Amino acid sequence: GQQVMQIPQYQHVQEGEDFTTYCNSSTTLSNIQWYKQRPGGHPVFLIQLVKSGEVKKQKRLTFQFGEAKKNSSLHITATQTTDVGTYFCAVTQGGSEKLVFGKGTKLTVNP
Amino acid sequence: DTAVSQTPKYLVTQMGNDKSIKCEQNLGHDTMYWYKQDSKKFLKIMFSYNNKELIINETVPNRFSPKSPDKAHLNLHINSLELGDSAVYFCASSQDLSAVPRGEQYFGPGTRLTVT
Repeated sequence: GQQVMQIPQYQHVQEGEDFTTYCNSSTTLSNIQWYKQRPGGHPVFLIQLVKSGEVKKQKRLTFQFGEAKKNSSLHITATQTTDVGTYFCAVTQGGSEKLVFGKGTKLTVNP
Repeated sequence: DTAVSQTPKYLVTQMGNDKSIKCEQNLGHDTMYWYKQDSKKFLKIMFSYNNKELIINETVPNRFSPKSPDKAHLNLHINSLELGDSAVYFCASSQDLSAVPRGEQYFGPGTRLTVT
């Protein structure tokens, strides 16, 4: 089945530093979604990328989809304490009805 | 006006018991899901229903039985609970399974199940 590798598993930064998490697949993806889960909370949808090479921004968050549609990244500029949580990528493949989540990157921010 | 709600929020029970978790969505979505999140935060799909019809049934013990009385509700019944069933269970919904690209999923607040 579709697998997606997400790295790093953990990232600890000082407030104001940048943060990036990556998702990689061995096969071509039809699209990729990103979710954020705050500690004790539930996953919340952030964005979906569909097109090869697509770049989308949400304030300090920048999402990229690779040219080959096999990888994606989420970059946060100048992290804040409100950014803490676990960031997940999620993918479907072809006509699959199943959304497969990466293992997540847990971000902690030291004030 | 919670979009996806689950009850109960916490569930503590002993091994061997039977328990149910309820989920309701008021978004008018066609598709609902159950996910299990273990202690390592790994989020894995268990079941999916589209308009009350089971469409995804992952390798889950048959002690777990989902039921969808209508497309706004998806309940999860678990028989003979085991220690390994301890986890957070999330219900989710999405608008249309046939949408291309696939729509985002809306998650409920989760039910933390502890089996002792």
